Amino acid sequence: QVQLVQSGAEVKKPGASVKVSCKASGYTFISYGIIWVRQAPGQGLEWMGWISTYNGNTDSAQKFQDRVTMTTDTSTSTAYMELRSLGSDDTAIYYCARKSGDPSNWFDPWGQGTLVTVSS
Amino acid sequence: SYVLTQPPSVSVAPGQTARITCGGNNIGSKSVHWFQQKPGQAPVLVVYDDNNRPSGIPGRFSGSNSGNTATLTIIRVEAGDEADYYCQVWDTSSDHRGVFGGGTKLTVL
Repeated sequence: QVQLVQSGAEVKKPGASVKVSCKASGYTFISYGIIWVRQAPGQGLEWMGWISTYNGNTDSAQKFQDRVTMTTDTSTSTAYMELRSLGSDDTAIYYCARKSGDPSNWFDPWGQGTLVTVSS
Repeated sequence: SYVLTQPPSVSVAPGQTARITCGGNNIGSKSVHWFQQKPGQAPVLVVYDDNNRPSGIPGRFSGSNSGNTATLTIIRVEAGDEADYYCQVWDTSSDHRGVFGGGTKLTVL
């Protein structure tokens, strides 16, 4: 079955970086994009950006553009999201999801989420 | 940037019908998707492209979209439907391509 499995929880100090992985299986990896969304404790879903697994092009929200890097390794069907210069307000669950093509752009399935805690 | 507005909460008795709205400027011209998120779990797609259900989603879930409002309808609500529901569209006019509504907490009384 189609599934995305993310890396485990992380605890980071302010100013550090975190890299979350998202391994896909059950479908042709380069046929669908990968999105990244985060959810702070008790809050809603926040869009971070997406990457084309076909050509590696990325598109991120302006809020994260200076701090986020999204990459893929097509040999292992894995996507990565690195967020730098972490602050306490980056404490959140980070999700990846498979993205369909235009014009629909629905997201399914989602990874199980990776909790990133930023604390001194 | 494009904004989607959802009511913070909706309450319904078991067996009744729940309707969760999602407001946006001319949202009827966009494809709307709905996600269900239960506590401690990742979001799950329950309706895509306004009114289509992924495999495995019960027929009790349906959607509609017209004008400035999209609606997720759940008939014969069950206790297991209690969750947060988010609407979502793809907006090419801003840097926030994937736009989410603020979410609606569905409480089954």
